[in-house]
Amino acid sequence: DAGVIQSPRHEVTEMGQEVTLRCKPISGHDYLFWYRQTMMRGLELLIYFNNNVPIDDSGMPEDRFSAKMPNASFSTLKIQPSEPRDSAVYFCASSPGNEQYFGPGTRLTVT
Amino acid sequence: GENVEQHPSTLSVQEGDSAVIKCTYSDSASNYFPWYKQELGKRPQLIIDIRSNVGEKKDQRIAVTLNKTAKHFSLHITETQPEDSAVYFCAARGANAGKSTFGDGTTLTVKP
Repeated sequence: DAGVIQSPRHEVTEMGQEVTLRCKPISGHDYLFWYRQTMMRGLELLIYFNNNVPIDDSGMPEDRFSAKMPNASFSTLKIQPSEPRDSAVYFCASSPGNEQYFGPGTRLTVT
Repeated sequence: GENVEQHPSTLSVQEGDSAVIKCTYSDSASNYFPWYKQELGKRPQLIIDIRSNVGEKKDQRIAVTLNKTAKHFSLHITETQPEDSAVYFCAARGANAGKSTFGDGTTLTVKP
């Protein structure tokens, strides 16, 4: 298996633009997680899905953030409109139950 | 919900010395405790884990111990090497919880 795949790896956008981050989990994993990592706030869980259903989105910072998982092999995290404070590395991770496998991350810069 | 505290936040050791990172958790129902290593610019990766029915687990130079009564668990790295330098995260997961709660991380620096 290729592991968790994320795209794009780097994204630079201007404030106010829409940003869509993509994730392909490892086949057979029932759980999918979206994290944000910054120096100031560390590793934050934004939302997670179980069998494509959102279970806990209490970490989503505000209504500008939304996440979907239309099928078992694909998830998106959308920020609209983006702001400079959204600049961070966004990780997607999948899990068969306990251990989590992280993707390479998307480094987002909002200018 | 679960709360995980991790100490110290930074740790510097001389190559060849041992390093110990400690975590405490609040939910007595937690039963799975993984440790992740994140090298600079890379993703977190699982290095070792322990379940609540086990008190200690070893894998070469790394070991994890669990004290369920006190609700704390620790990562031990012996004979440290410069390539052990990274951020280490502990986590705890409850039996019926879908997610793991992560500690804030420990930045380990091994000086050659």
